[in-house]
Amino acid sequence: DQQVKQNSPSLSVQEGRISILNCDYTNSMFDYFLWYKKYPAEGPTFLISISSIKDKNEDGRFTVFLNKSAKHLSLHIVPSQPGDSAVYFCAASATRGGADGLTFGKGTHLIIQP
Amino acid sequence: ETGVTQTPRHLVMGMTNKKSLKCEQHLGHNAMYWYKQSAKKPLELMFVYNFKEQTENNSVPSRFSPECPNSSHLFLHLHTLQPEDSALYLCASSQVYGTSGSSYNEQFFGPGTRLTVL
Repeated sequence: DQQVKQNSPSLSVQEGRISILNCDYTNSMFDYFLWYKKYPAEGPTFLISISSIKDKNEDGRFTVFLNKSAKHLSLHIVPSQPGDSAVYFCAASATRGGADGLTFGKGTHLIIQP
Repeated sequence: ETGVTQTPRHLVMGMTNKKSLKCEQHLGHNAMYWYKQSAKKPLELMFVYNFKEQTENNSVPSRFSPECPNSSHLFLHLHTLQPEDSALYLCASSQVYGTSGSSYNEQFFGPGTRLTVL
């Protein structure tokens, strides 16, 4: 049973508009959440994270929102740029700062249309 | 070299072969990980090494054997694999909380080894 779910395999957004990627989780022990971005033939690269003590974290064009009661997080990218086209993975950890493996979702392929 | 490197990038092997995947991290981290990504599946954690000690083995078959000789190097020894083991194998590293003041669990990934078992 998947503990981290990304229900949209792909998302198409026009350049300059907002991209919203969603992620749901089931394990209430998760206390740290991360978003990774992956281009073909490369490993995932860390994008942004959020601790369960916060509900929002912002870094430039990227903002992550966490709704603990709904066990839901989302990544907002605004404005979307062509270079944002990639697969985005949501990941979660149950031991923030510990050597804990991450639990990943299947990913959402974001396509930015010119 | 910077970041996390993996060799080889591509590997084709028969079911009776023995091969090894190598990972090296140049970030000064003290924890390293092996993940597997099969087609249409999420990344799956295989092994965790914390301060060179294996702390997690996520029910991985014994035909996969990890080795961590020091905090910068990680190997995955492969023998008598099956075709269903064909996948992208990713190595990652992170700095464990408390050893250098870092309080985050971001893991930094290598580019992966694309393994095909015939």
